[in-house]
Amino acid sequence: GAVVSQHPSRVICKSGTSVKIECRSLDFQATTMFWYRQFPKKSLMLMATSNEGSKATYEQGVEKDKFLINHASLTLSTLTVTSAHPEDSSFYICSASREGRGEQYFGPGTRLTVT
Amino acid sequence: AQSVTQLDSQVPVFEEAPVELRCNYSSSVSVYLFWYVQYPNQGLQLLLKYLSGSTLVKGINGFEAEFNKSQTSFHLRKPSVHISDTAEYFCAVYHLNAGGTSYGKLTFGQGTILTVHP
Repeated sequence: GAVVSQHPSRVICKSGTSVKIECRSLDFQATTMFWYRQFPKKSLMLMATSNEGSKATYEQGVEKDKFLINHASLTLSTLTVTSAHPEDSSFYICSASREGRGEQYFGPGTRLTVT
Repeated sequence: AQSVTQLDSQVPVFEEAPVELRCNYSSSVSVYLFWYVQYPNQGLQLLLKYLSGSTLVKGINGFEAEFNKSQTSFHLRKPSVHISDTAEYFCAVYHLNAGGTSYGKLTFGQGTILTVHP
């Protein structure tokens, strides 16, 4: 149990366009979902935390108007990269957790390339 | 401030040799501790976790880790590695508040790349 999926796994878009990434918990209800960004040969950087039905909490330095997060249900969160630029190219990983549990279950990641 | 330090960025080792990946953390509150493995272009897979109880934790793929509160360490070990263990390993700490409930964030170490040579 505790499977998290992400879609798409890989996306290439042109500069100036927007891209939506979906994160789904397949077999459990995720009260909290997290979005991370991972640069090459680097650790994971937490971008934001989202709880179902409420606004996401963004980490310092993350532009909330650029990285729109919606946690519409207990099994789905989306990250939309608006007006993407080449510097937004990265590996984006989501995770989900159950209420009261410290453990996070990670999705397989989405490789975004902005040309 | 809470932090996680993985002391080795890269660990090369020969197949069937033992390995230890080191992790130290700093925190003013109680913690949960995790080790994750990441294969190239994939997400993170949980290897093992310490929440409470026995300080020696066994995980998947023959890995184990020991929580040492006095040394604030959670080193990962495997007695005999395989080529397939080649991957990046992340130590992570989840901070609890005084009431024992969580702050809700994982803090990751910088990662250790384990390379197993034949």
